[in-house]
Parts: sequence; structure tokens; C-alpha cells
Amino acid sequence: KAGVTQTPRYLIKTRGQQVTLSCSPISGHRSVSWYQQTPGQGLQFLFEYFSETQRNKGNFPGRFSGRQFSNSRSEMNVSTLELGDSALYLCASSFGTDIYEQYFGPGTRLTVT
Amino acid sequence: AQRVTQPEKLLSVFKGAPVELKCNYSYSGSPELFWYVQYSRQRLQLLLRHISRESIKGFTADLNKGETSFHLKKPFAQEEDSAMYYCALRGIQGAQKLVFGQGTRLTINP
Repeated sequence: KAGVTQTPRYLIKTRGQQVTLSCSPISGHRSVSWYQQTPGQGLQFLFEYFSETQRNKGNFPGRFSGRQFSNSRSEMNVSTLELGDSALYLCASSFGTDIYEQYFGPGTRLTVT
Repeated sequence: AQRVTQPEKLLSVFKGAPVELKCNYSYSGSPELFWYVQYSRQRLQLLLRHISRESIKGFTADLNKGETSFHLKKPFAQEEDSAMYYCALRGIQGAQKLVFGQGTRLTINP
């Protein structure tokens, strides 16, 4: 079974621009979560989607948004990029919510200049 | 508030020696605790979770609610255990939101 895939793997953007990252979960998985990883803050939860509905949201500004499609693929968008948004963005999928194990993707490395 | 603390950023032990990676948490309810591991150039993956109470790759972890700790232990370290280890907490029932500690980089010396 193919693992979680994230595209693109690397991205360089300029301050003020916007960016869209994509996550394809493991086949059959309906829950997708997003995390931001930085050296200073570590791994921080962004949001969780299940069956196209956002179930939980972390403490990030409204510039960070996401969505999930009917095939469970998910995208996250960051508008008006700031230098501090430079990070590794990880996506994780699971079969369902609560007790199910999360499987992580390789991440998208975003650099904002 | 939910918080996970891993006091050691770096831990270095010799092969064959016991290993203990510390994890303390702060949560008012009944959390679910996990250990995740990231080997060099690999993805973050689940190592073990407290509800399963199983040993994976020789590692065990016991949830101590009195001390709010979930330390990871292995009696005899192996070189392939060198990796980044993250302790994580899930507090909200029915949610996939994980709160991670800052991680401990474990190095096993030959």
C-alpha cells in the first residue's frame, strides 16, 4: 500500500505570496492532519479534517487554511507569507479518528525569502 | 493546557547500555500518550502507544499518572536505535490532534 504523499517536496516563495501544499492520504484513510515543524517551536498541530469537515484547528492565524476533498486528499494554503512561515509541513493520515494510528508523509519544506 | 516536555535534547549512550528517554506531560484529563521515532532520512513513525502496552523493538513505556510521565526505556541499546524520538499526547476524545514534545536526539555509540 502506498504511503502518504505530499507535493511539492520543496518550495521557495517570497514574502507576501501565497502557497498551496497538497497531501494524498493512504488509500482508504479518511482523516488528514497537518503539522508545522520548525527548529524553534518543534511540531505544532495545524488542523484536522475528516470526511471533508475540519474537526480541530490549532493556534495559527487565519492566513493558514485548509480543506479536504471527497477523495480524502487535502490541501493547505498559507496566504501573505511571512519569513516565520518557513518550516517543514507534515501531513498525517489515519483510517478514522480517535484510536487510529496516524501515518506521516515526508513533508513539504517551505522556504520564505 | 496540554503540554509535553522532553527535558533532554540530546542523549548519548554506549551500545549495550540501558536507555531512558524522559517525557513529562501536563493535561487535566485522561490523555493518550505516544512515542514517535524518526530515523535518519525516514518519516516520522509511531513507535508505541500507552494503551497497547506492548514492547516494540525492545522499547517499553509506562504511563505514570501520579508523576505525569511516560518515559521510554530499553535495557540494552543497539546502534540502530540512533534516531530522533518524540513524545506526544492526544487529549481530545475523538480527535487526531497530537501535542508533541521538542524531541530527544538519541545517539548510540559503538
